Amino acid sequence: DAGVIQSPRHEVTEMGQEVTLRCKPISGHNSLFWYRQTMMRGLELLIYFNNNVPIDDSGMPEDRFSAKMPNASFSTLKIQPSEPRDSAVYFCASKQGVGSGANVLTFGAGSRLTVL
Amino acid sequence: AQSVTQPDIHITVSEGASLELRCNYSYGATPYLFWYVQSPGQGLQLLLKYFSGDTLVQGIKGFEAEFKRSQSSFNLRKPSVHWSDAAEYFCAVGVRSNYQLIWGAGTKLIIKP
Repeated sequence: DAGVIQSPRHEVTEMGQEVTLRCKPISGHNSLFWYRQTMMRGLELLIYFNNNVPIDDSGMPEDRFSAKMPNASFSTLKIQPSEPRDSAVYFCASKQGVGSGANVLTFGAGSRLTVL
Repeated sequence: AQSVTQPDIHITVSEGASLELRCNYSYGATPYLFWYVQSPGQGLQLLLKYFSGDTLVQGIKGFEAEFKRSQSSFNLRKPSVHWSDAAEYFCAVGVRSNYQLIWGAGTKLIIKP
């Protein structure tokens, strides 16, 4: 298994531009998470999908952020327009099972976003 | 509310020395407990987990952790560290019947040659 695949690994963009981050979860995993990691705030859960349906988006910072999961093998996180404070590493993670903290999360390698 | 505390932001250890990273949690019942490691520029990788049973759990890369219910702790240990262990280590708590993981702030491990 290739694991959770994220692209791009690095993105440098200018303020105001649209950014799209992509994620392919592990086949058979039905839960998908987007996290943001910064020095100041650590790991923050942005949104959680279960069976392709957004269950909890309370961590999405504001309307500039949106996420979709059109099918079981693909998810996107979009920022429009981007701002310098969005600079962070964005992780996608997936796991099997629902509604239990027992199942193990597998993380992608992350997408490092720099907004100038 | 549930919380996870990793009291050490940084720890410096000489290569070959033993290591203990501390993790304390606050939760009303026995949680699921995890340690993850993040190498520079990489994602988080599971080191080990505790769900139930034997309170001493073995993980990858020679790490182990011990669940102590009376102390609400799940400390990570390794008898002899290698330079390749330099990374950031995160403790996390899984709550039953909940998809959320509660994360500690992480401990950065620095290895002295």
